[in-house]
Amino acid sequence: EAQVTQNPRYLITVTGKKLTVTCSQNMNHEYMSWYRQDPGLGLRQIYYSMNVEVTDKGDVPEGYKVSRKEKRNFPLILESPSPNQTSLYFCASSLSRFPVNTEAFFGQGTRLTVV
Amino acid sequence: KQEVTQIPAALSVPEGENLVLNCSFTDSAIYNLQWFRQDPGKGLTSLLLIQSSQREQTSGRLNASLDKSSGRSTLYIAASQPGDSATYLCAPCRMGKLIFGQGTELSVKP
Repeated sequence: EAQVTQNPRYLITVTGKKLTVTCSQNMNHEYMSWYRQDPGLGLRQIYYSMNVEVTDKGDVPEGYKVSRKEKRNFPLILESPSPNQTSLYFCASSLSRFPVNTEAFFGQGTRLTVV
Repeated sequence: KQEVTQIPAALSVPEGENLVLNCSFTDSAIYNLQWFRQDPGKGLTSLLLIQSSQREQTSGRLNASLDKSSGRSTLYIAASQPGDSATYLCAPCRMGKLIFGQGTELSVKP
């Protein structure tokens, strides 16, 4: 089954404790991205990757890091989480973004609470 | 900067009604537009993708239209069912980046 898989689904952590949220897709997609969803603010892009070893900042990248060492994986790293990073996080992938944008598929989400 | 507005913010209808959800966006330089469905606490499920060169797209009881020049898209749901209850999000896309509206929360009563 074609899918985007995120882990963990739920996470409660303390301020400053480094964490990684994993994302994996099995569709051989080139383009992957991370979004966060907050009440009243909607979904906003954090980081994206056009292909292996190519990553760039989205609209709200502060406090986050990503890496793209393999095509299928795109982990989101919070080196020193803070309470304002409490949010619902989504990983997404699509086949490409050139020349025509293709359909984006989303993971099930990771609900992160930083206390 | 792209801004996306969805109207209404919430909608409650009896089962069987046909309904229209509206989406407007400020920057018409988009490559495509996707409609998603989100159930409470769940991920986003893609419903329809309309390329910028298309005017509409249909899937089952769903029909989405796109008027890029006026910055508008509509999602038409025919013969609504309680299982259609969810939040519906529209997202115009450019260079791979989706810009989301706040969504329309739909409740279909049996």
